[in-house]
Amino acid sequence: GNSVTQMEGPVTLSEEAFLTINCTYTATGYPSLFWYVQYPGEGLQLLLKATKADDKGSNKGFEATYRKETTSFHLEKGSVQVSDSAVYFCALSDQRTGGFKTIFGAGTRLFVKA
Amino acid sequence: ETGVTQTPRHLVMGMTNKKSLKCEQHLGHNAMYWYKQSAKKPLELMFVYNFKEQTENNSVPSRFSPECPNSSHLFLHLHTLQPEDSALYLCASSQGELLGQPNTEAFFGQGTRLTVV
Repeated sequence: GNSVTQMEGPVTLSEEAFLTINCTYTATGYPSLFWYVQYPGEGLQLLLKATKADDKGSNKGFEATYRKETTSFHLEKGSVQVSDSAVYFCALSDQRTGGFKTIFGAGTRLFVKA
Repeated sequence: ETGVTQTPRHLVMGMTNKKSLKCEQHLGHNAMYWYKQSAKKPLELMFVYNFKEQTENNSVPSRFSPECPNSSHLFLHLHTLQPEDSALYLCASSQGELLGQPNTEAFFGQGTRLTVV
């Protein structure tokens, strides 16, 4: 079945450091890929998405590229801020093989220190 | 404002109580979901509804009973819960079945923080 694996946290960085959170997926079809973010005390919000191979999703300085050859969708940001401290979830949705539900990774908590 | 509203935001209930969680969306979506988020555990999908029909129940105990009277509203009825049921319960919605189109993203409510005492 379809699944998502992301790096375990927590990840602790200093402000302005470079961020990478790894995400790999298993899917029998051609999924859409997402990154969601959860700030303390809130629900999940969509951060960015990519719907086909080689697409790059970007938002708020974050980027992720859909790599079919490595089945990956790693999240990157060149310079993190304290306000980026949150839990980040990689996710996929494949209507053709998994229905329309979204499958989430376990989440990676990011702490950014001033 | 995410377009998905959950009430109450916080709930404390005893193990013998009966309570309900409510979720409402005005995004025109046809699919709605209940997720459970516990500390140090992955997000767990509990129930899926598409066009008011339940399409998935991931081995959820019968003390959790969902209800979807229409595409805009979703309830989770709770009775005789256990302390280990304490968690953040998240509701989400998405466009649902849309053949031939890339899957759209899910929109989440802020969740109900449930504590069972």
